[in-house]
Amino acid sequence: SAVISQKPSRDICQRGTSLTIQCQVDSQVTMMFWYRQQPGQSLTLIATANQGSEATYESGFVIDKFPISRPNLTFSTLTVSNMSPEDSSIYLCSSQGVSGRRDNEQFFGPGTRLTVL
Amino acid sequence: KQEVTQIPAALSVPEGENLVLNCSFTDSAIYNLQWFRQDPGKGLTSLLLIQSSQREQTSGRLNASLDKSSGRSTLYIAASQPGDSATYLCAVSKAGGYQKVTFGTGTKLQVIP
Repeated sequence: SAVISQKPSRDICQRGTSLTIQCQVDSQVTMMFWYRQQPGQSLTLIATANQGSEATYESGFVIDKFPISRPNLTFSTLTVSNMSPEDSSIYLCSSQGVSGRRDNEQFFGPGTRLTVL
Repeated sequence: KQEVTQIPAALSVPEGENLVLNCSFTDSAIYNLQWFRQDPGKGLTSLLLIQSSQREQTSGRLNASLDKSSGRSTLYIAASQPGDSATYLCAVSKAGGYQKVTFGTGTKLQVIP
């Protein structure tokens, strides 16, 4: 399975500021995704991070609020911009298309726990 | 739109008991179904992946079954242990290749020593 790391693991931020979360996979993967998990809830997909092009956002999520980069096949960043307390969540990076595994099998990073005051 | 529901939402059992977690989905045209566990405040760990052409998958004390026609999957945990305490999530993907998945609502399991 792919080993995925995220930085930071947690952060406490002030309203109105921005935070960039990094996701690093230990092997090249075809697809990378960003999810949000609000307290007590299941996972909601924010966007698909496309290598070398703009991310594909799900309904309710926009690029201005959640800009995403994916410069290569192993790395992606998610920025949470102009934060408000409603953005307090766990943000999770995942990958698909890991060599030697089935196409749709997803692997997840440990998550970034964000608290906005 | 695919909807995935898990019942029960929470479950508490004594150590050693066998248990079943349920997952149901509204659109049976799935490509595969994956079971995950999530420890509090942590990421997700993949447990089992069942392709749509398969009926079940086994890994150690875990056995997952899939009945596409009825839109159901079950995760069977044998001889439960306190270390099994976690939230269990099922997720389904619709089409082949690389596609986003839809997650269930989760079952929070507590195994009491």
